[in-house]
Amino acid sequence: QSALTQPPSASGSPGQSVTISCTGTSSDVGSYNYVSWYRQYPGKAPKLMIYEVSKRPSGVPDRFSGSKSGNTASLAVSGLQAEDEGDYYCSSYAGSDNWVFGGGTKLTVL
Amino acid sequence: QVQLQESGPGLVKPSETLSLTCTVSGDSIKTYYWSWVRQPPGQGLEWIGYIAYSGSTRYNPSLKSRVTISADTSRNQFSLKLRSVTAADTAIYYCARQSLVYYWFDPWGQGTLVTVSS
Repeated sequence: QSALTQPPSASGSPGQSVTISCTGTSSDVGSYNYVSWYRQYPGKAPKLMIYEVSKRPSGVPDRFSGSKSGNTASLAVSGLQAEDEGDYYCSSYAGSDNWVFGGGTKLTVL
Repeated sequence: QVQLQESGPGLVKPSETLSLTCTVSGDSIKTYYWSWVRQPPGQGLEWIGYIAYSGSTRYNPSLKSRVTISADTSRNQFSLKLRSVTAADTAIYYCARQSLVYYWFDPWGQGTLVTVSS
């Protein structure tokens, strides 16, 4: 069982918006603004999409946004496109030089 | 462009030691931190540990007793050793560059599947 809890699946039609949640505890997500999100295509390496809760690396479309409330972080994807389909993982610093990840959410573009 | 590539045996016998190497190009391992992350089949990701540019290491508490991460700066490589493996250690193993300023993992290697079986 993963340290951070994500819904197994999420879906939306092209052009719609979808939000993926990532629930941790007061020891990780709730204590640090060091939540990051990664997208993984089948058989490929994860790619950084969001860091420090809501910051986007260069090259990541502004359709991707992140937020956090209490022990739950969220990744929102607006204007869904076929290329957004994949597995999304959240990660959080957990203190004491330890990092935790979520179990992943499979995003399907209908 | 920074690239990472994992290499090592794809099959390890139970109770033996899993050994993997990550070769880094486009950046020096004398900067940033360099991590190993694994993904059991059909499951989520698990951080294993990192080695810093200073040579210091930190490990996931759940694996700490069995893990060693080391670096060879002359070859711009860092390595993972996981001792006393069991079937539960079967996973895709990724190496990744880690920032302790922004707390991200980026980029990642393509990953290598290691199966523990006799």
